[in-house]
Amino acid sequence: KNEVEQSPQNLTAQEGEFITINCSYSVGISALHWLQQHPGGGIVSLFMLSSGKKKHGRLIATINIQEKHSSLHITASHPRDSAVYICAVRRDQGAQKLVFGQGTRLTINP
Amino acid sequence: EPEVTQTPSHQVTQMGQEVILRCVPISNHLYFYWYRQILGQKVEFLVSFYNNEISEKSEIFDDQFSVERPDGSNFTLKIRSTKLEDSAMYFCASSEALDYGYTFGSGTRLTVV
Repeated sequence: KNEVEQSPQNLTAQEGEFITINCSYSVGISALHWLQQHPGGGIVSLFMLSSGKKKHGRLIATINIQEKHSSLHITASHPRDSAVYICAVRRDQGAQKLVFGQGTRLTINP
Repeated sequence: EPEVTQTPSHQVTQMGQEVILRCVPISNHLYFYWYRQILGQKVEFLVSFYNNEISEKSEIFDDQFSVERPDGSNFTLKIRSTKLEDSAMYFCASSEALDYGYTFGSGTRLTVV
């Protein structure tokens, strides 16, 4: 079983819609990362969370440690938001590596 | 904004050849990482490097792989005798500390033929 599961795997929406991408994990963690991977392959870090909620522009990330669940929201989505969004966790107890989810491919149509 | 720089962006090599992938992490960062992504699959951890030594490595990171920080700025990944299944995008990343965000390089696409 994958330690990090994302849903949905693919999401297509119209410009302006509110987007939610979910991430569930099965291990104890010290931090959870949301990343964006562009079609060319490059990875950009969006958020790092260990509790609560963070907001940057139209992006909001939340985490519920007790439920082992995080969500990434995009408000007023735009075609330029089209990308693969990846959840990754760093386990607790001194681990250094990130364990990645399989990603959610988001397509925003104009 | 500071960047992690990776070179080359693309490399094609013959099976059995050695390749060196290069990375320049952000200068005040202390933790360095290599990850790889085989086409269509999720990103996988290879190795982390801290205080001039390997601090964690995955099962993938066998004797075929090595890392070095030869001059205090570059961070290299060497694959000694490449196999077809080493074809992947290789990402370097760095972070200031364990509980800080990562900065990823733009990746090196390695194709083994």
